[in-house]
Amino acid sequence: DAKTTQPTSMDCAEGRAANLPCNHSTISGNEYVYWYRQIHSQGPQYIIHGLKNNETNEMASLIITEDRKSSTLILPHATLRDTAVYYCIVRVKTGGTSYGKLTFGQGTILTVHP
Amino acid sequence: KAGVTQTPRYLIKTRGQQVTLSCSPISGHRSVSWYQQTPGQGLQFLFEYFSETQRNKGNFPGRFSGRQFSNSRSEMNVSTLELGDSALYLCASSPQRAGSYEQYFGPGTRLTVT
Repeated sequence: DAKTTQPTSMDCAEGRAANLPCNHSTISGNEYVYWYRQIHSQGPQYIIHGLKNNETNEMASLIITEDRKSSTLILPHATLRDTAVYYCIVRVKTGGTSYGKLTFGQGTILTVHP
Repeated sequence: KAGVTQTPRYLIKTRGQQVTLSCSPISGHRSVSWYQQTPGQGLQFLFEYFSETQRNKGNFPGRFSGRQFSNSRSEMNVSTLELGDSALYLCASSPQRAGSYEQYFGPGTRLTVT
């Protein structure tokens, strides 16, 4: 799986958009970008994933650059409950050594302030 | 739909003992993965089971083992516990079918080895 680089921490004001960047310059053509988050003492929560097109769901939007070497997770209206560690993971969807395996880095600690 | 459940939520064992943790996946999910989370090493993949077969394994010693039953429920076992096995153990289930490979995590079992 391709390696990812994320900032260690970020701050955001409540109600504003939180934009979390992720670099994955060695991503392969069949690798997807997945985002998970982990609120303190809970299990990680799936947020969104994409291959090359921008994606949006009820939780967030995912913007992937045209060269696919970086992406941004956008929480459009951050709330205090969005304070968590956000993990960007690049992987093939399934198969071989990736079966059921997510490789977590250190992630970005997002703190949402009132 | 009920989420992933793990039992017990908290456990205290002494060195040398063995422990069994249980995971019930989301209904219809056939894949179950297990992870260990510690402050020093972060989230690390242990193994994945699909249709009662281990398909993938992380880099952990043989003291860590698991199994999956025909109803997709899974157990993991740690024998000869060491102090370093103190961790949050997380299980995740996945539909593992076309277009749907994301993982959904349970709340975890907090194991303390004294």
